Amino acid sequence: DADVTQTPRNRITKTGKRIMLECSQTKGHDRMYWYRQDPGLGLRLIYYSFDVKDINKGEISDGYSVSRQAQAKFSLSLESAIPNQTALYFCATSDSTGYGYTFGSGTRLTVV
Amino acid sequence: AQTVTQSQPEMSVQEAETVTLSCTYDTSESNYYLFWYKQPPSRQMILVIRQEAYKQQNATENRFSVNFQKAAKSFSLKISDSQLGDTAMYFCAFMKFTRGADGLTFGKGTHLIIQP
Repeated sequence: DADVTQTPRNRITKTGKRIMLECSQTKGHDRMYWYRQDPGLGLRLIYYSFDVKDINKGEISDGYSVSRQAQAKFSLSLESAIPNQTALYFCATSDSTGYGYTFGSGTRLTVV
Repeated sequence: AQTVTQSQPEMSVQEAETVTLSCTYDTSESNYYLFWYKQPPSRQMILVIRQEAYKQQNATENRFSVNFQKAAKSFSLKISDSQLGDTAMYFCAFMKFTRGADGLTFGKGTHLIIQP
């Protein structure tokens, strides 16, 4: 089993729908992150969490929310999806040292 | 805020050649790490190499090495004896280290194509 699991792997949704992307990890890491990748723009940080009670906005948090349900689970929600949010989304985890920074396999989201 | 710049959107070389990918960054932080990630068509993000800013010695991992010029804020990746499997997107990334590991700031990437 993968250390960082993202579900779903691919998703097509309609404009205005609420959608949740889920991430779970077996690394035992405290720190978890959500990134968005767009062609030609690299990856950009949406939200990050250093523990269950410590959640922080990243560079592009508008239109997104997150929930850290447990040390191992970190979900990303789009309350009302728009086509501009079509992208590849990555979850990642790390320990406090930065070693072992691990990415999930990504969720490709298409908003039509 | 940090910025990472990769000035080469795409590069193409012949198999077995040596290729260097450029990366520059801008930061006021004194404690940080730098990374190169590889993203093949499978879309998985794979760590290639990392460099701690406080270390003067350039990091190496088999055929991959970096040229870290801290004063110039430059962090280039050299791939020796390139192989077809090296074909991928390569991202340079910066991580500040204030409360321990932090989020990564990525460059826009370089698409590297290894020709047979």
